[in-house]
Amino acid sequence: SQKIEQNSEALNIQEGKTATLTCNYTNYSPAYLQWYRQDPGRGPVFLLLIRENEKEKRKERLKVTFDTTLKQSLFHITASQPADSATYLCALGTGGGNKLTFGTGTQLKVEL
Amino acid sequence: IAGITQAPTSQILAAGRRMTLRCTQDMRHNAMYWYRQDLGLGLRLIHYSNTAGTTGKGEVPDGYSVSRANTDDFPLTLASAVPSQTSVYFCATQTGVNTGELFFGEGSRLTVL
Repeated sequence: SQKIEQNSEALNIQEGKTATLTCNYTNYSPAYLQWYRQDPGRGPVFLLLIRENEKEKRKERLKVTFDTTLKQSLFHITASQPADSATYLCALGTGGGNKLTFGTGTQLKVEL
Repeated sequence: IAGITQAPTSQILAAGRRMTLRCTQDMRHNAMYWYRQDLGLGLRLIHYSNTAGTTGKGEVPDGYSVSRANTDDFPLTLASAVPSQTSVYFCATQTGVNTGELFFGEGSRLTVL
């Protein structure tokens, strides 16, 4: 069966360090992968999209990698700040917009 | 700029009652979606609409119906609410099918007793 796995345990890191979140998937052939940020009581907010033929994408302090052989995406936040504390969701798209499937998310806590 | 407006923000509902969650957008996006979010299960697609006048079923459509009479509005109706429909419901839009990012509303928290 198809499955998207994100670490359900919260990730606690110290301010200034690099946070790395993982998204693994099985039985998917995604055309693209997206990352979203969600704050408590709010809707998800889009961060980055990476396509199947791209290895890496960057935006300011954010970096996403996509390895279709390992069936894994890594999401990095460099020089992390307490304001980066949130839940981060990955989502896989299989070619049609209505085929976007979300992982359950990983909570990140950046401590002073 | 409002973007996506969902109403109500929160509602407690007796089982068996009919409920419509409203979603209105002012971005003129073609595609619209309804998701529910439950702890440990993530966001699951209920129904979608690629353009005004068309709708389709997502992963968990049972017990829900939608309509898309125009570009801006995409209401979600629970004909006869059951406790398992207790959830947070998110409406989302996309400029067009397969064009990337989704824009989400702030959610409607529904409790069915």
